[in-house]
Amino acid sequence: AQKITQTQPGMFVQEKEAVTLDCTYDTSDPSYGLFWYKQPSSGEMIFLIYQGSYDQQNATEGRYSLNFQKARKSANLVISASQLGDSAMYFCAMREGRLTGGGNKLTFGTGTQLKVEL
Amino acid sequence: DVKVTQSSRYLVKRTGEKVFLECVQDMDHENMFWYRQDPGLGLRLIYFSYDVKMKEKGDIPEGYSVSREKKERFSLILESASTNQTSMYLCASYYRVDEQFFGPGTRLTVL
Repeated sequence: AQKITQTQPGMFVQEKEAVTLDCTYDTSDPSYGLFWYKQPSSGEMIFLIYQGSYDQQNATEGRYSLNFQKARKSANLVISASQLGDSAMYFCAMREGRLTGGGNKLTFGTGTQLKVEL
Repeated sequence: DVKVTQSSRYLVKRTGEKVFLECVQDMDHENMFWYRQDPGLGLRLIYFSYDVKMKEKGDIPEGYSVSREKKERFSLILESASTNQTSMYLCASYYRVDEQFFGPGTRLTVL
């Protein structure tokens, strides 16, 4: 079974509107974390936001917020007031197990290509 | 500012060649990773290392090996490059896993 599922291969949104990118995950580990990364056409991976499984509140970073629904195992990324520069590939990822120490790897979804239009 | 650098942004090699991809980080991170990225498949882990001379296989290690002789440097080796290894290769490092830093990527083409 896929550990991270992103069901939207491509999305369009109009400038200044909000958009939600879906991510569902599968784990039996009580300690885990969820990430969102942005990858512009230049190829670099840019960290956007992180949510730990024990965090009580949904994470927010500027125009990015993570809608964390633990019971549904979903961690959707919400981008408010979309800008042309938000056009990029977006990846959801998960780490399982303790936060520090060795070998704590990330499992990535297949990504969602977001295009912001005028 | 953490920096993860990769030796080449673009690389073209021939089938059967031995290929070295280098990754260097400047923050004394113990953990380093090599991923490959393909359209529709996301990023998949090839190998990782949590200390000097230590290495662990990831999800797709076949056809690759790694070397970590110094803490700051993690090399990915394609012993005999094949066309199905044409891909984008991304290196990452971290101390805490919620602070993973990625390099700019190497786009490898094997002809």
